[in-house]
Amino acid sequence: GAVVSQHPSWVICKSGTSVKIECRSLDFQATTMFWYRQFPKQSLMLMATSNEGSKATYEQGVEKDKFLINHASLTLSTLTVTSAHPEDSSFYICSAREIEDTGGDHLTYGYTFGSGTRLTVV
Amino acid sequence: GQNIDQPTEMTATEGAIVQINCTYQTSGFNGLFWYQQHAGEAPTFLSYNVLDGLEEKGRFSSFLSRSKGYSYLLLKELQMKDSASYLCAAFRGGNTPLVFGKGTRLSVIA
Repeated sequence: GAVVSQHPSWVICKSGTSVKIECRSLDFQATTMFWYRQFPKQSLMLMATSNEGSKATYEQGVEKDKFLINHASLTLSTLTVTSAHPEDSSFYICSAREIEDTGGDHLTYGYTFGSGTRLTVV
Repeated sequence: GQNIDQPTEMTATEGAIVQINCTYQTSGFNGLFWYQQHAGEAPTFLSYNVLDGLEEKGRFSSFLSRSKGYSYLLLKELQMKDSASYLCAAFRGGNTPLVFGKGTRLSVIA
């Protein structure tokens, strides 16, 4: 099945520094990648939708200059948290959809999640 | 607008049956996903309903009524490992992101 590799799994950084999170689709091409953030005991909140070769679309309230998204190829999307602060500490998850649903793969219908990145800003 | 409601928390006994309800109102609707998520992990796929009715898959079943904007996830023969959050998510078609509910935290007790 489709696999999205997300790195790092966890990261601790100092306040004011930047952190880059990568998501790679390993065995399929993803024209679109979705980035979510999840605070403890809350659901996934969509941050932005990135499309290969174009600018990302950010959800209301998400600072595009703080959360830089790059989707330079069909298999790689990155999220960079710039000048991170403790309130940015969260669980970040990416999700990708295949260009074409694999034949008979009714299970995922093309939405595959990365394993998530736990960011702690100290 | 998009609105998906599900209970915040539920508790059930090991071996019992529990039903987690979800109501949705979305602009555009193609189908309804259910995901399981353990703390600190990514969601894992449980089911996807497109047509009305019940779909059974082992201990888990999912029901959809498009006319009522309603779905439920039924978990049978509960096990301790079923303690997790269960997320209801609407698919609006095309390359749109899933719209998630806030999740239901299920605690299975002995």
